[in-house]
Amino acid sequence: AQKVTQAQTEISVVEKEDVTLDCVYETRDTTYYLFWYKQPPSGELVFLIRRNSFDEQNEISGRYSWNFQKSTSSFNFTITASQVVDSAVYFCALSEASGGSYIPTFGRGTSLIVHP
Amino acid sequence: NAGVTQTPKFQVLKTGQSMTLQCAQDMNHEYMSWYRQDPGMGLRLIHYSVGAGITDQGEVPNGYNVSRSTTEDFPLRLLSAAPSQTSVYFCASSYASDNSPLHFGNGTRLTVT
Repeated sequence: AQKVTQAQTEISVVEKEDVTLDCVYETRDTTYYLFWYKQPPSGELVFLIRRNSFDEQNEISGRYSWNFQKSTSSFNFTITASQVVDSAVYFCALSEASGGSYIPTFGRGTSLIVHP
Repeated sequence: NAGVTQTPKFQVLKTGQSMTLQCAQDMNHEYMSWYRQDPGMGLRLIHYSVGAGITDQGEVPNGYNVSRSTTEDFPLRLLSAAPSQTSVYFCASSYASDNSPLHFGNGTRLTVT
């Protein structure tokens, strides 16, 4: 079973729309870490945010916000007033304490296309 | 400020050929890993290393070998390339802390014909 599920394969919006990318995870650990990465059309992978399992505070960074809910095992990412430059593939990842290595497992990614 | 350096950027192989994808990092990171990215499959872990001399298998290790003789280098070897290994390969590194994000190389696009 997938440990990180990004059910939205592709989302298409028009500029200035708000968009939420869903991430649902599965773990038995009480200590774990969640991440979001961005992969723009140029192909590089860029770290956006990390969150540990003991910190359920939502986070906002400019137009980006993240909603972490342990009750639903979700770590959703919202882009407010989307822009063409937000077009990218976004990956959610889970790093678990068990096993000791903290090598993350990635979801399959959501491709976001923002039309002008 | 080199970060994680992967070479080559592109490679075409014939079935059965062998090659090594190079990965080097200059951040003194303990952890290094290799992922492959295929359409619709996300990033899947091939092999990883938690320090020099220590390697372990990830989710899709078959057909690949790794070694970690130094902290800086983590090469990925394809012993006998197959068309199923056509993919984009990413090397990544991080500190050995529980919440350290990955630093990725720019990727190697490999085609096996």
